Amino acid sequence: NAGVTQTPKFQVLKTGQSMTLQCAQDMNHEYMSWYRQDPGMGLRLIHYSVGAGITDQGEVPNGYNVSRSTTEDFPLRLLSAAPSQTSVYFCASSKTSGLKETQYFGPGTRLLVL
Amino acid sequence: GENVEQHPSTLSVQEGDSAVIKCTYSDSASNYFPWYKQELGKRPQLIIDIRSNVGEKKDQRIAVTLNKTAKHFSLHITETQPEDSAVYFCAASPLSGNTGKLIFGQGTTLQVKP
Repeated sequence: NAGVTQTPKFQVLKTGQSMTLQCAQDMNHEYMSWYRQDPGMGLRLIHYSVGAGITDQGEVPNGYNVSRSTTEDFPLRLLSAAPSQTSVYFCASSKTSGLKETQYFGPGTRLLVL
Repeated sequence: GENVEQHPSTLSVQEGDSAVIKCTYSDSASNYFPWYKQELGKRPQLIIDIRSNVGEKKDQRIAVTLNKTAKHFSLHITETQPEDSAVYFCAASPLSGNTGKLIFGQGTTLQVKP
């Protein structure tokens, strides 16, 4: 299994540009989430999904859109990038199966908005 | 919503000493509390977790304690080694049975001096 994969690894955008961060998992996990990580602020939840077709907002959803058309994929869209969205983005997935519910993180995407 | 506070933000110990990191949470409905370790430039990795029906859990040199009444939980690392140096994050899951929504603390940078 590849686990959780993210593309791209690094991206530079200009203010106002749009882009999609890709996330995929091959572990048949029901739950998927997007976090952003900024220095001194830990990991903040952007959006999450409990299954295909179901998404919900996290702590910092403004400026981001998500959809979950398949169990495997959970893309994050920035419609109009702003410098405040410069951050490292992590995707994560987890499965509800008894007491072994562990959230696995992808390698991250480093985004710079100029 | 859930809020997780983590202390201290930085911790420096001598090799062989113990390290303790503390977290408090606000939502009494939270029932799952994982701890993640993140090395520089890498993704967060789960090191230990605890559920609300358990007061303490131990895995070799690492232990976690939970006080539901006071709404706080702690990570204990004994006999610290230089490879324990990293950023540690606590988290809480405010939705019963749902590990896809984790609220993280701000992180603790642990430095173990040889």
